[in-house]
Amino acid sequence: KAGVTQTPRYLIKTRGQQVTLSCSPISGHRSVSWYQQTPGQGLQFLFEYFSETQRNKGNFPGRFSGRQFSNSRSEMNVSTLELGDSALYLCASSLAGTGYQKGFFGPGTRLTVL
Amino acid sequence: GEDVEQSLFLSVREGDSSVINCTYTDSSSTYLYWYKQEPGAGLQLLTYIFSNMDMKQDQRLTVLLNKKDKHLSLRIADTQTGDSAIYFCAETPGSSASKIIFGSGTRLSIRP
Repeated sequence: KAGVTQTPRYLIKTRGQQVTLSCSPISGHRSVSWYQQTPGQGLQFLFEYFSETQRNKGNFPGRFSGRQFSNSRSEMNVSTLELGDSALYLCASSLAGTGYQKGFFGPGTRLTVL
Repeated sequence: GEDVEQSLFLSVREGDSSVINCTYTDSSSTYLYWYKQEPGAGLQLLTYIFSNMDMKQDQRLTVLLNKKDKHLSLRIADTQTGDSAIYFCAETPGSSASKIIFGSGTRLSIRP
């Protein structure tokens, strides 16, 4: 099976712009979670989608949003980018998103905001 | 609250055992995990343990869980240069089965 894929791998934007990141889960997986990784804050949970519904959300401002499509692919959007949004954004997929099934992370999208 | 803490650095000699420690605050955690992150890469799940277990062994990896003290450890036997990475302790909190709370990561370096 192909692993979790994230596109693009690298992105450079300027303050005030918006960005959309994409995550394709492993075939058959219905849960997609997003995490932000920064040197200062570490790994923080953004949100989780299951069967096109947001099931859980972390403590991020409303500028961070996401969605999931019927094929389980997910996108996250960040509007009005700030310098502090520079980070590695990781997506994880699992069959149901609960229990021990937390193992499948993508390589991440590295976002740089100038 | 939901907090996971671990030391930032660990240096061991090649061939020795590495022990990475972690403490967590949520007594209702259901699953606890160890992830590995190599430079420029995503996260790789190394192993996990259910909260009602005390120990889990998987080849060179041994996980010990002390639920009373909320302490988790990862022992890597016969540490190799390929084990150099950042290791994250993580938990699924009892309040939410669909998210993971991560520690800050322990950078493991191997001395020849």
